[in-house]
Amino acid sequence: EVQLVESGGGLVQPGGSRRLSCAASGFTFSSYWMSWVRQAPGKGLEWVANIKQDGSQKYYVDSVKGRFTISRDNAKNSLYLQMNSLRAEDTAVYYCARGAYNWNYWGQGTLVTVSS
Amino acid sequence: EIVLTQSPATLSLSPGERATLSCRASQSVSSYLSWYQQKPGQAPRLLIYDASNRATGIPARFSGSGSGTDFTLTISSLEPEDFAVYYCQQRNNWPPLTFGGGTKVEIK
Repeated sequence: EVQLVESGGGLVQPGGSRRLSCAASGFTFSSYWMSWVRQAPGKGLEWVANIKQDGSQKYYVDSVKGRFTISRDNAKNSLYLQMNSLRAEDTAVYYCARGAYNWNYWGQGTLVTVSS
Repeated sequence: EIVLTQSPATLSLSPGERATLSCRASQSVSSYLSWYQQKPGQAPRLLIYDASNRATGIPARFSGSGSGTDFTLTISSLEPEDFAVYYCQQRNNWPPLTFGGGTKVEIK
């Protein structure tokens, strides 16, 4: 059974940093692109970033470029999102999802709240 | 960036009725459009990919059509579990991958 479990969310002050993790199981992690998608409270979905199987290609939405970094550790079957210089508008549930797009497996999400 | 506009914002229907949801792209996305369903407190669920292909395990009452800039998600006969928010998403020209604003299908 495919499972994606996010962790690392919480309350962070504006300008602060947070690292999200996504633990994958039930499939060959190193064979898939992986993505982060977020959803602000009461709002729609927004793609954040994705990363190729070997980490050689990474793409970001403009609003997080230069502040967020997506990475992966295939030996640990884990996906990460390092978030720096956080802003109030980054407050959202962050989901990891399998694939570059056409996401058929999602985690349950982890809430990041940016507030003083 | 390709902007996806979904209409209507809210659709009020009764169980057993047919639901027709629209997604319009600001420029052609060919057939590279997907549809997702999301229920409160849950992650999205992939329903349709590449405009008309049902994802694994999706019931036949869900169907997608369209190409270019105009797309439709049809639910032939609404079941109680189908009342949710539906999003379209394009992958023709990325980054960025973009979503529509969503259509809420509510019980009338």
